[in-house]
Amino acid sequence: NAGVMQNPRHLVRRRGQEARLRCSPMKGHSHVYWYRQLPEEGLKFMVYLQKENIIDESGMPKERFSAEFPKEGPSILRIQQVVRGDSAAYFCASSPSGDGKNIQYFGAGTRLSVL
Amino acid sequence: TQLLEQSPQFLSIQEGENLTVYCNSSSVFSSLQWYRQEPGEGPVLLVTVVTGGEVKKLKRLTFQFGDARKDSSLHITAAQPGDTGLYLCADRKGGSNYKLTFGKGTLLTVNP
Repeated sequence: NAGVMQNPRHLVRRRGQEARLRCSPMKGHSHVYWYRQLPEEGLKFMVYLQKENIIDESGMPKERFSAEFPKEGPSILRIQQVVRGDSAAYFCASSPSGDGKNIQYFGAGTRLSVL
Repeated sequence: TQLLEQSPQFLSIQEGENLTVYCNSSSVFSSLQWYRQEPGEGPVLLVTVVTGGEVKKLKRLTFQFGDARKDSSLHITAAQPGDTGLYLCADRKGGSNYKLTFGKGTLLTVNP
């Protein structure tokens, strides 16, 4: 049973370009969470999605960042017009439900570097 | 806003030594979790503790939860190089069943 799959593992973008990060949850999981790990800081919650719905995006920057989890296919975290401060490791986690009793299983992350 | 403070920030020891790392919260934990994150990987859950005073053991790892549920410690006996990694504590944010708040972690290096 494959775990949470994130790709790409490493992504390099120049300032002003777009970054698309993909996350395929574990089989049977319909709840996806995105976290960001900045250098010298802990992981911080960004957004929680179920299939076709954004449940909580309170941790998302107001501009340039968006997330989706379509009915078919992986969840996508999209960053438009990237800036150097967006350089970080972005982790996706999944769980079978969102009731807090279930473990969130994390992927290996996407390391974004903005030049 | 809940703050999780972890100490020490860095720890470098020799194989076979014992160590303890700490996690303290500015407010009572809802459900404390300890994770280990190896270089280049995502966090992996080690244990969840809920009850004040609770002690859980996982092979050479012993997790303690303070009586007041505002602090926790992780003790590793006879550390091995495979224990190297970033140890993170996390809590489910008050009022949320899913939003995890993480400390900055303790980066442990066990030298052969």
